[in-house]
Amino acid sequence: QSTLTQPASVSGSPGQSITISCTGTSSDVGAYNSVSWYQQHPGKAPKLMIYEVINRPSGVSNRFSGSKTGNTASLTISGLQAEDEANYYCNSHTGASTFYVFGTGTKVTVL
Amino acid sequence: EVQLLESGGGLVQPGGSLRLSCAVSGFSFSDYEMNWVRQTPGEGLEWISYIDVNAVVRYADSVKGRFTVSRDNAKNSLYLQMDSLRVDDTAIYYCAREIRGAVGDALDVWGQGTMVTVSS
Repeated sequence: QSTLTQPASVSGSPGQSITISCTGTSSDVGAYNSVSWYQQHPGKAPKLMIYEVINRPSGVSNRFSGSKTGNTASLTISGLQAEDEANYYCNSHTGASTFYVFGTGTKVTVL
Repeated sequence: EVQLLESGGGLVQPGGSLRLSCAVSGFSFSDYEMNWVRQTPGEGLEWISYIDVNAVVRYADSVKGRFTVSRDNAKNSLYLQMDSLRVDDTAIYYCAREIRGAVGDALDVWGQGTMVTVSS
């Protein structure tokens, strides 16, 4: 099944801002405002960070923000902190036979 | 506290079967759609199954015809019956609650996962 394309890795120094892209098609990211982002630390379950493209669940830092243009969604982490080092996955509904599709995942490294 | 707890994972031979369970607590289970997501160790996430409040189901192509999702609202439990297992089904299996927003859905609560290993 198809997946959304993310960069394999992104890095930044503490305090900097980084942006992770998530590229899909007009059948998934471009068609729905159902894009979400998940943070996963090693050995842990994923955690919802952004839903409906731009919304943060209660308890998630406002350093995390989301956006979307056309078929590409983005997650921006501002004021990068050591605890942000993790893998991040985007997700979208899709009109294909697959109901949901995840991104390939991005490893964020804090230098 | 909202919690999801998977169980039932283990080692099974190719062609075998396994039934995963997900016990939920802390919320009204019957009001929520639920999903199963898996992750091959060291790899990415793969959505595999969905069930809504009326037991309407959807599957990924990779498991369609082999896996069956069900729910028992009286027992606050979600299930995944996995038949004709293959080596490439080896993964950590997570159950996840789905929230429905104004314009989209997301998986807001996840269990800790249960490991399934398919090997001879």
